[in-house]
Amino acid sequence: GDSVTQMEGPVTLSEEAFLTINCTYTATGYPSLFWYVQYPGEGLQLLLKATKADDKGSNKGFEATYRKETTSFHLEKGSVQVSDSAVYFCALSNNAGNNRKLIWGLGTSLAVNP
Amino acid sequence: GAGVSQSPSNKVTEKGKDVELRCDPISGHTALYWYRQSLGQGLEFLIYFQGNSAPDKSGLPSDRFSAERTGGSVSTLTIQRTQQEDSAVYLCASGQGAGYEQFFGPGTRLTVL
Repeated sequence: GDSVTQMEGPVTLSEEAFLTINCTYTATGYPSLFWYVQYPGEGLQLLLKATKADDKGSNKGFEATYRKETTSFHLEKGSVQVSDSAVYFCALSNNAGNNRKLIWGLGTSLAVNP
Repeated sequence: GAGVSQSPSNKVTEKGKDVELRCDPISGHTALYWYRQSLGQGLEFLIYFQGNSAPDKSGLPSDRFSAERTGGSVSTLTIQRTQQEDSAVYLCASGQGAGYEQFFGPGTRLTVL
């Protein structure tokens, strides 16, 4: 079945450091790919998405490119801030059928120190 | 506008009791999903409602779990004879339809003693 694997945390960085969180997937067909973020004490929020190969999703300085050849959707940010401390989830949605349920990675906790 | 709301925010119950969890989706959203977030298991899909169609129950872990959606709006997730392994955060999400962004509620943290 479809699955998502993302790098385990926790990840601890200093402010202004470069961030990469790896995510790879297994899916039939052509899924849509997502990064969700969960800030402390808050609900899940969509951070960015890509719906087809070579698409780049971007938001709040974060980027991820849908790489079909490597089945990857790695999250990157050039300069992290303390306010980026959160748990990041990679997810996919298979576009076949009516149910677009999300299949999730286990999440990566990020702590950014000043 | 108002987002997805869930109640209660926290629920502590004893093993063997039944619990009901409520989700109020964003007005006008026809798609509604329930997920469960467990320690060590991550997030997993439970059930999906789309308009007046029959729900997709393929993610429900056992027949102790059921859900309904009345009038295409509010949804209730019921867990009968709760077990300790049911302890988790139960999340509800709604969307404008299949394939649209899913907006998540704050979740209900269920603890089964």
